[in-house]
Amino acid sequence: DVKVTQSSRYLVKRTGEKVFLECVQDMDHENMFWYRQDPGLGLRLIYFSYDVKMKEKGDIPEGYSVSREKKERFSLILESASTNQTSMYLCASSSAPQWIFGSGTRLTVV
Amino acid sequence: GENVEQHPSTLSVQEGDSAVIKCTYSDSASNYFPWYKQELGKGPQLIIDIRSNVGEKKDQRIAVTLNKTAKHFSLHITETQPEDSAVYFCAATQGGYQKVTFGIGTKLQVIP
Repeated sequence: DVKVTQSSRYLVKRTGEKVFLECVQDMDHENMFWYRQDPGLGLRLIYFSYDVKMKEKGDIPEGYSVSREKKERFSLILESASTNQTSMYLCASSSAPQWIFGSGTRLTVV
Repeated sequence: GENVEQHPSTLSVQEGDSAVIKCTYSDSASNYFPWYKQELGKGPQLIIDIRSNVGEKKDQRIAVTLNKTAKHFSLHITETQPEDSAVYFCAATQGGYQKVTFGIGTKLQVIP
């Protein structure tokens, strides 16, 4: 069964901490994505990557960075967590036209 | 860039009735329109999709229609069941499928 796995379901971090969200896919997909999901705002694209070591900014990249050192792994980094980054974070991978989402990480910044 | 509008934001129907969710998109270059279902505690899952060269597609109780001229597409669920209760997202994307723009989601509640 194909999978996108996000390492944590729930995370609580303090303001100012550096936070790493990990995502792994087992489908050999080229493209990987990070979205955040907020009530009333839907899914907003933070960053995406179409190849190892390649990254592109999405619609809301401020305050975030990403790393893709291996094809199967795409990490989202919050350099200095802030309370307005409290959200549900969803990772996805795709190889046209198949898109697969992970189950999400609910991050709370206190 | 692409902008996708989705409505209604919430929808309650009686079990057995039909449910319709509508979306509009802005970029005429978009040519692939997937629909996702997100159940509580899970990530979105693809339930049906349609390409711009097709006007309608059906899969059992689910159908999607596309009007390219008006730039809108709709999801139709017939004979709704309680397990259809979820949040549904429409989306639009161009060739290459590298970037997808989502609607804000519709929370569907099917009342037994």
